[in-house]
Order: sequence, then C-alpha cells, then structure tokens
Amino acid sequence: GAVVSQHPSRVICKSGTSVKIECRSLDFQATTMFWYRQFPKQSLMLMATSNEGSKATYEQGVEKDKFLINHASLTLSTLTVTSAHPEDSSFYICSAREVRRTRYGYTFGSGTRLTVV
Amino acid sequence: AQSVTQPDIHITVSEGASLELRCNYSYGATPYLFWYVQSPGQGLQLLLKYFSGDTLVQGIKGFEAEFKRSQSSFNLRKPSVHWSDAAEYFCAVGANSGNTPLVFGKGTRLSVIA
Repeated sequence: GAVVSQHPSRVICKSGTSVKIECRSLDFQATTMFWYRQFPKQSLMLMATSNEGSKATYEQGVEKDKFLINHASLTLSTLTVTSAHPEDSSFYICSAREVRRTRYGYTFGSGTRLTVV
Repeated sequence: AQSVTQPDIHITVSEGASLELRCNYSYGATPYLFWYVQSPGQGLQLLLKYFSGDTLVQGIKGFEAEFKRSQSSFNLRKPSVHWSDAAEYFCAVGANSGNTPLVFGKGTRLSVIA
C-alpha cells in the first residue's frame, strides 16, 4: 500500500531557530501534498496544499513566510518552520495523494511533534 | 468547501456495550468519507473509508459505518466496545479531485469504563 515517511517524529528546538520537516512518498508519486497542524486536544487543521513544482496554497491565517513549503519532487515535500516560537509548538502531519489514483485516498505520514523552548 | 460536524465532543460507554459516533458532512459533490482514530500522542490510523458502492462499510477492529446520503451522515458503529478502543475519533470528508484536501471534524473522545 501507499506509504508516506515523515521525519523527524519529534523535535525540540530553541526559540528563533528553524526546523525542517520532511515527508517522502515511498511507493507512489505524491502529486499533491497537504500539511496539517494539530494543537493539543484539537482537530487537524489544514495549513496548506502544494502541488509538485508549484507554489503552495496557504489557508487563511497561515503565514506563508513562516511556514515554508517546498514540493520540488514527486516524492518529497518539506515544511520549514522559520524563526520558531513556543506558540508554534504543535503536531504537524502531512498527507499525500497521487492525482491519478485518488481512489486510493489520502496517505498520512506519522506526524512530527514540535516543541519550541 | 466541505465541512464535517461531529456533534458529540465526549462519549463514555461501558466495556461490551455498543457504540455509535455521529458524523454529518456538507459537500456539494460526491464525498469521500473517512473515519480515523488517534490515541494520545500518536498519529492517525484509518478505520474505514467510503468512496462509492455499498453504503455499509466494514473497517478494522470491528468498526463499521453507514453512508446515508439523504441525511448527509456517515456514523461509525461498533457492536461491542473494548477498553482499548478509548481514543479520539475523527470523521473526515474529501473528494475525488486530487487537490481537494481532507477536512476533519472536531473529533469525539471516547472513554470506556469497566
């Protein structure tokens, strides 16, 4: 089945530094990638949608200069949290689709728990 | 845009009792519907999904869900709950279009008592 590998699973960083999260599709072409954020005891909220080779589309209220998304290849998308602050501490999770195989649904990574101290 | 409502924030059931978690969706086109479960500190696990065909869908761990187009509902059921089912359950709606994201409901927290 479709697998998305997400790394790191946990990261602790100092306030003001940047953190990069990677999502790799292992056995399919991730033409579309979705990035979500989940605060404690809340649901998953969509941050942005990216298509391979194009700029990401961000949801309202999500700072595109703070959350940099790169989707340069069909198997790799990255989310970089720039100048992280404690309020950015959250669970980040990616979801990938192959546009020609949408009946296979949405494949999620295992998530990254970011703690900014 | 699509949306999902899970009316119950928290449900408590006795072990061995039946369970039904409610989900209502709003989407103008044919929906793809999903149920996920999330244990504390963990990622998402797909329980079942509905794309088309038989409206009663069987999933893992003994769960099933029924798609009712007339009621815009996709309720999750289990005939006999186990203590290990205690977790957060999310209903989500997507679509066939590759660029359509999954939109999640706010979730229902299930507690299981002896």
